[in-house]
Amino acid sequence: GAGVSQSPRYKVTKRGQDVALRCDPISGHVSLYWYRQALGQGPEFLTYFNYEAQQDKSGLPNDRFSAERPEGSISTLTIQRTEQRDSAMYRCASSPTSVSTDTQYFGPGTRLTVL
Amino acid sequence: AQSVTQLGSHVSVSEGALVLLRCNYSSSVPPYLFWYVQYPNQGLQLLLKYTSAATLVKGINGFEAEFKKSETSFHLTKPSAHMSDAAEYFCAVRYNNNDMRFGAGTRLTVKP
Repeated sequence: GAGVSQSPRYKVTKRGQDVALRCDPISGHVSLYWYRQALGQGPEFLTYFNYEAQQDKSGLPNDRFSAERPEGSISTLTIQRTEQRDSAMYRCASSPTSVSTDTQYFGPGTRLTVL
Repeated sequence: AQSVTQLGSHVSVSEGALVLLRCNYSSSVPPYLFWYVQYPNQGLQLLLKYTSAATLVKGINGFEAEFKKSETSFHLTKPSAHMSDAAEYFCAVRYNNNDMRFGAGTRLTVKP
């Protein structure tokens, strides 16, 4: 079946603009995660959902970042008033259940560049 | 706080040689441990995971890792490297929550 998809794959924006990054998880997966990965670093946890409920948003850097998953499927990560330091690869992952030992399946990521 | 350290940001081996990628975690409570591989322009793919069953875990593509509680380690090995193994490898830890912490990654180069 189809894996996790993310769009757009590349996004270039000017400082101060808002961006919305989309994640389409594997069908039927309960949990959905967002990560940010800077160059030369591992993914850094941002937030996660079980169904439509946001369970943990402790990794979101500040209040310019928000995420939603209104129908328990597709999720959107929104960054308002982007800054150059927001430039990174944003990765989404989903897992079949919320069990901690479940494998997370990652999408290809969205490369965000803020000029 | 849970964290994971990968020793060596770059590892280079010859084709056919042993691959050893190091991962240590910091915690008094054994976590769940994962190794992911990332090929260029692709998402992270699970290689293997330790979930408190057998301490020696076998994964895809001939990789395996051994959980050693006394050393707080989960090193990744493969007896004989192939050119196709060239990629970036990430170790990750997770406890009874959904906060997965990744190491900084190790880039593996395989020389012909």
